[in-house]
Amino acid sequence: KQEVTQIPAALSVPEGENLVLNCSFTDSAIYNLQWFRQDPGKGLTSLLLIQSSQREQTSGRLNASLDKSSGRSTLYIAASQPGDSATYLCAVERGSTLGRLYFGRGTQLTVWP
Amino acid sequence: KAGVTQTPRYLIKTRGQQVTLSCSPISGHRSVSWYQQTPGQGLQFLFEYFSETQRNKGNFPGRFSGRQFSNSRSEMNVSTLELGDSALYLCASQSRTGGKTDTQYFGPGTRLTVL
Repeated sequence: KQEVTQIPAALSVPEGENLVLNCSFTDSAIYNLQWFRQDPGKGLTSLLLIQSSQREQTSGRLNASLDKSSGRSTLYIAASQPGDSATYLCAVERGSTLGRLYFGRGTQLTVWP
Repeated sequence: KAGVTQTPRYLIKTRGQQVTLSCSPISGHRSVSWYQQTPGQGLQFLFEYFSETQRNKGNFPGRFSGRQFSNSRSEMNVSTLELGDSALYLCASQSRTGGKTDTQYFGPGTRLTVL
């Protein structure tokens, strides 16, 4: 069974700080890992997808890394802004159950001006 | 390109009733997955349809069912509603080109309240 854990559960920081969100998973036989953002009451927005053969992906101020052997991923947010306030979710997809994502409980981020 | 659409956006039902939710994937996408999101359990996988066939199923009772049509649109049905079925129901689409997976794109969700 695949379990996904995200630490911390909540984070409150002033604008401009660089942040690291953590995700760990129990079964290293993953196919890919995705990071999503969810605003209150809304659907999920995909931020980055890392294939199992990759070590990292970057998009603008976001950088996600993957260490499959240790079952860990980190999402790095540079120069945080109030608009980054949202819940960030990590999800893994297994090769044996393609199409099914296993989600963590998320990190609720608040960036204050 | 239009995103994933879900209808209706909000729904209020009473216990014992049944409900049907609809999801239209991004044009060209052949896979649709459904998830239930609650404050207590987080995001939980319901099922996935690819080319009109259910490929994966989560640990939900048989009251939860779904189907996919030839145009890739999908519906989810919940019968004999219970208070605990109150949740945000999200669907996601993937292209699954060549059978491989890629980014899942989520719709805005249907907020179901059971009274």
